[in-house]
Amino acid sequence: GAVVSQHPSRVICKSGTSVKIECRSLDFQATTMFWYRQFPKQSLMLMATSNEGSKATYEQGVEKDKFLINHASLTLSTLTVTSAHPEDSSFYICSAARTQGGAFFGQGTRLTVV
Amino acid sequence: DQQVKQNSPSLSVQEGRISILNCDYTNSMFDYFLWYKKYPAEGPTFLISISSIKDKNEDGRFTVFLNKSAKHLSLHIVPSQPGDSAVYFCAARGLGSQGNLIFGKGTKLSVKP
Repeated sequence: GAVVSQHPSRVICKSGTSVKIECRSLDFQATTMFWYRQFPKQSLMLMATSNEGSKATYEQGVEKDKFLINHASLTLSTLTVTSAHPEDSSFYICSAARTQGGAFFGQGTRLTVV
Repeated sequence: DQQVKQNSPSLSVQEGRISILNCDYTNSMFDYFLWYKKYPAEGPTFLISISSIKDKNEDGRFTVFLNKSAKHLSLHIVPSQPGDSAVYFCAARGLGSQGNLIFGKGTKLSVKP
C-alpha cells in the first residue's frame, strides 16, 4: 500500500518557540495533502488542505498565521506551529490523497508544549 | 453539525464473534466511504472503503455495507480477534472534493479473549 511518512513522531518544545512537522508521500505523488488535529477522545478534525504550489486552504477557526503550511513539492508538505503555546499540545496527523483514490495517513506527531 | 456520526463510542465483543460497527451520515453528496483503524498515538490505518454506487464490499474478515436510502453504513468483522481491538473511524468524502475526509468520532472496539 501507499506509504506516508510523518516526522517527528514526538516533540516537546518550550512555549513561544516554533515547531515544524514534515509529511512525505514515499511512493506516490500527492498534489493534495491534509492536516488533521486530534484532541483526546475526539475525532480527527481537518485543519487545512495543502495544495502543491499554492496556498493552503484553512478550515474555519484555524489560524493561518499560527499554523503555517508549505507544500513545495508533490511529495512533501510541512506544518509549522509558530509561537507554540500549551493549548497547541495535541496529536497532529497528515494524510496524502492519491490520484487513483484513497487517502493515506502518516504516523502522527505528538506535540507537547511546556 | 456532525455530518458523519458514530453513535456508539464503544463496543465489546467476544473473540470469534462478529463485530458490527455502525455509521450514519447526513450529506447525500458523499460519494465514497472509508473505515480506518487507529491505535493510540498512531496515525489511522486504512481498512476498507466503498463507493456510493455499491452496497457491499468485502476484504477478508472485513465487510462494509452501505444503505444509501438510510444514509447508513456498517463495518462487519468476522471472526473478531483480540488484535482487532482499536478505535475505528468511519469517514466520508464529498463529491468533487479534493479528497478531504469527514470523520465520525470513532468507536472503540474491545475484543475479549
